[in-house]
Parts: sequence; structure tokens; C-alpha cells
Amino acid sequence: SQTIHQWPATLVQPVGSPLSLECTVEGTSNPNLYWYRQAAGRGLQLLFYSVGIGQISSEVPQNLSASRPQDRQFILSSKKLLLSDSGFYLCACSKQGPKGTEAFFGQGTRLTVV
Amino acid sequence: KNEVEQSPQNLTAQEGEFITINCSYSVGISALHWLQQHPGGGIVSLFMLSSGKKKHGRLIATINIQEKHSSLHITASHPRDSAVYICAVFVNQFYFGTGTSLTVIP
Repeated sequence: SQTIHQWPATLVQPVGSPLSLECTVEGTSNPNLYWYRQAAGRGLQLLFYSVGIGQISSEVPQNLSASRPQDRQFILSSKKLLLSDSGFYLCACSKQGPKGTEAFFGQGTRLTVV
Repeated sequence: KNEVEQSPQNLTAQEGEFITINCSYSVGISALHWLQQHPGGGIVSLFMLSSGKKKHGRLIATINIQEKHSSLHITASHPRDSAVYICAVFVNQFYFGTGTSLTVIP
């Protein structure tokens, strides 16, 4: 079955420190991958999506970057965290299958920048 | 403009009550998801719907494609059902509702 492994589940980082969140997909190949962020009191907002290795599209300008070094690996990074980077980060995946579009979600990472 | 609207935003119920959370969307979709997020916890996928109705234990999800509307029902609610419930639709990306915060009181 298809699953997304996203880690860590929670993270507390000081302002100015780097960030690396990893998302790994199992059970499918060549998926579309997404990073979303949920700031306090707001809905989930698309940050990045990727349709293939090395292909990254950004939806909003920000202090973050994303990379897809392998087909089933999607990484969210920052060189220097800001307080405003605090929030809940969610990795998601979609794949066109014979029965339509399949989609599944990671558990999410709760990041607190202090 | 929100592609996905959920109601109510907040809901408090007594244990045992029947609960309904509604989701309306404005885009043509290929699938709709109901997600659960416990306080301080991660996301759990409850249902993926493209038509009709699905049931899992005390949870029932329905979708009306023509009316662009979905409902999540919880029968015989329990305090452990307390969580945020999020509706998400998929077009070329996911669009999420802002969530319904449910509190079930013993």
C-alpha cells in the first residue's frame, strides 16, 4: 500500500538555524509531491509542488526551498529560520491511477521556531 | 476567495450526539478527502470520496458531485472524537478547508 513517511513529527529550532524536513513515499512511483504549511489559525497553504526529480514549483515567495533528489523523496529546507516559519508542515502526494487520482498525506511536522 | 468552505468552524457536542460537518467547494474535483487532526498531533486520512457514500465505524462521509457538497457524520460521538476535521479537494493540487474544531463533552 502507498504511504508517506514524514519526519520529524515535532521540532523546536532557534531563530537563524537551518531546517531540513524530509518526506519519503512508498508504494508508488513518479508521484506528484507537495509541501503545505498551516500557520496558526489559518488553513493549509501550498508552498511547493514537484512533478518529477529536480522539478520544483513554488507558489509563494518565502524563506524556504524544496528539493527532490530522488523520485520518492521531497525535502523542505531553510538556511536560516525565522519566527514566522513556525507552523504545521504537511507533505502530500498524488498519482494518476487506473481508478482515478490517488492521494495520500504524511502525518505532518509541527515546527516551533524560538 | 476560498475554494473550500467548511461549516461550522467550531462545534461542541455532548457525548452520544450525532454530528454533521459540512464542506462546500467551488472547483471541479477528482476527489475529496476528509482528514482528522488531533490537538498537537498529525494528520490522519479518514476518507477519500469521488462519489456516493463511505462508512468506517461510526464515521460516514457523503458527497454530492452535482451540488459540490460533502458531509462528514459522526454517530454516537465520543470525547476521543474531539479533533479538527479538515475537508480537502484535489484538482491539480490540494485545496484545504480551514477545518472544523470539534469538542465532545463527556
